[in-house]
Amino acid sequence: AQSVTQPDIHITVSEGASLELRCNYSYGATPYLFWYVQSPGQGLQLLLKYFSGDTLVQGIKGFEAEFKRSQSSFNLRKPSVHWSDAAEYFCAVGASLNQAGTALIFGKGTTLSVSS
Amino acid sequence: GAVVSQHPSRVICKSGTSVKIECRSLDFQATTMFWYRQFPKQSLMLMATSNEGSKATYEQGVEKDKFLINHASLTLSTLTVTSAHPEDSSFYICSAHGGINEQFFGPGTRLTVL
Repeated sequence: AQSVTQPDIHITVSEGASLELRCNYSYGATPYLFWYVQSPGQGLQLLLKYFSGDTLVQGIKGFEAEFKRSQSSFNLRKPSVHWSDAAEYFCAVGASLNQAGTALIFGKGTTLSVSS
Repeated sequence: GAVVSQHPSRVICKSGTSVKIECRSLDFQATTMFWYRQFPKQSLMLMATSNEGSKATYEQGVEKDKFLINHASLTLSTLTVTSAHPEDSSFYICSAHGGINEQFFGPGTRLTVL
């Protein structure tokens, strides 16, 4: 079955420290991978996505993620966290949207808190 | 970038009433729209896939007679929660597929049923 696992429910990081949020997926076909951020009561904002090519992808707000097929992982990283990064982060996987328009499967999310 | 709007942003209604939520793609045509539901501190769960001009496809466990979806045009899909009950209180988010390899999410609608 297709699934996305985010092992960490809640992470606290000091401001200025580095961050890594973990994401593992189970998907039968070539996965299309996404990271979204959600602030309280808000919709989703796309941070970055991976479809093909370079396995290290750069996103907005200084985030990057690395696709590792052998580990079925797509971990999100940021070298220096800012207080404004505190939010809920969701990893998602889907099939190509060029054809039928496939819905995304989301992980349960990781809540990031930033301490001063 | 592509913009998806939802209206209303939040709604409070009495138990037993019906509520309609609109999802619009503002600057592109969306052949497919998706409706998700998110309970507090939970992830997004797909409710249904809405294709313009055809019946929606519902996920297992989602009552199609309770959650009516209409995708009458390439820029508008509506979700109507019929005879709403407190357990229907949730955050409803739509997304639109614009023919490119990405979905664009609306800002969500907070439904509270008293």
